[in-house]
Amino acid sequence: QVQLKESGPGLVQPSQTLSLTCTVSGFSLTSYSVHWVRQHSGKSLEWMGRMWSDGDTSYNSAFTSRLSISRDTSKSQVFLKMNSLQTEDTGTYYCARTGFAYWGQGTLVTVSS
Amino acid sequence: DVVLTQTPPTLSATIGQSVSISCRSSQSLLHSNGNTYLNWLLQRPGQPPQLLIYLVSRLESGVPNRFSGSGSGTDFTLKISGVEAEDLGVYYCVQSTHAPYTFGAGTKLELK
Repeated sequence: QVQLKESGPGLVQPSQTLSLTCTVSGFSLTSYSVHWVRQHSGKSLEWMGRMWSDGDTSYNSAFTSRLSISRDTSKSQVFLKMNSLQTEDTGTYYCARTGFAYWGQGTLVTVSS
Repeated sequence: DVVLTQTPPTLSATIGQSVSISCRSSQSLLHSNGNTYLNWLLQRPGQPPQLLIYLVSRLESGVPNRFSGSGSGTDFTLKISGVEAEDLGVYYCVQSTHAPYTFGAGTKLELK
C-alpha cells in the first residue's frame, strides 16, 4: 500500500541546515509528485514545495532561496534541505503525495541551541 | 497568494447533528484546464491530515458518504450529514490551483 515516511534530525541549531528525507513505498516517484508541508504547533499547514513526477520542482517563495528539494528515484526518496534555520522554523514537517491524498506521520523539528 | 477563509473557526455539534463548514477563496480556483483543485482534509489530534474530498465534491475512497463537498469559483462548503464521534478534529480546505498552494486556517469540530 501507499506509504510515506519522513526522517531527519529532531534538533537543529539556529543558522544551521535542515536535511529531511521522505521515503515512499507503494508508488513510483516518476508517476506521482510529492509535496513538503510544514505545521507549527497548534497552527495551520504551510505548503513548502513540490517535487514533480518529471523531476521538476516548485517552491513557495516565502522560503526564498533557503529551500531545495531533490530526489533519488532508485531509492524512492525525496529530500528537503533548508538553510539558515531560525527558531520560527520549529514545527512538524510532512511529506504528502499528489493531491494530498497520502501523508507521512510527520517529523518534529526543533530549532534551538 | 490565494487566501482561503474558513468559517466558523470552531463548531460545536452533538452526535447525529448535521454541520457545514465554509471555505472562501480570495480568487477563483477554476484552473485553465477546467478542474477546480479544492480539497478538504481532516486532522485528528496527533495525526497527519487525511483527505476527505478532492476536486470540490469527489469523495476519497474509504471516506463515509456522510461527508459531501460543494461549491464553485470562490465559495465552497463541506457538509457532514450526521456527525459521529470519529469526526472530531480540525478540518482544512486546501487549494492547489494557484502556486503557492495554500490552506485555510482550519475549523475545529468539537462535541457539544
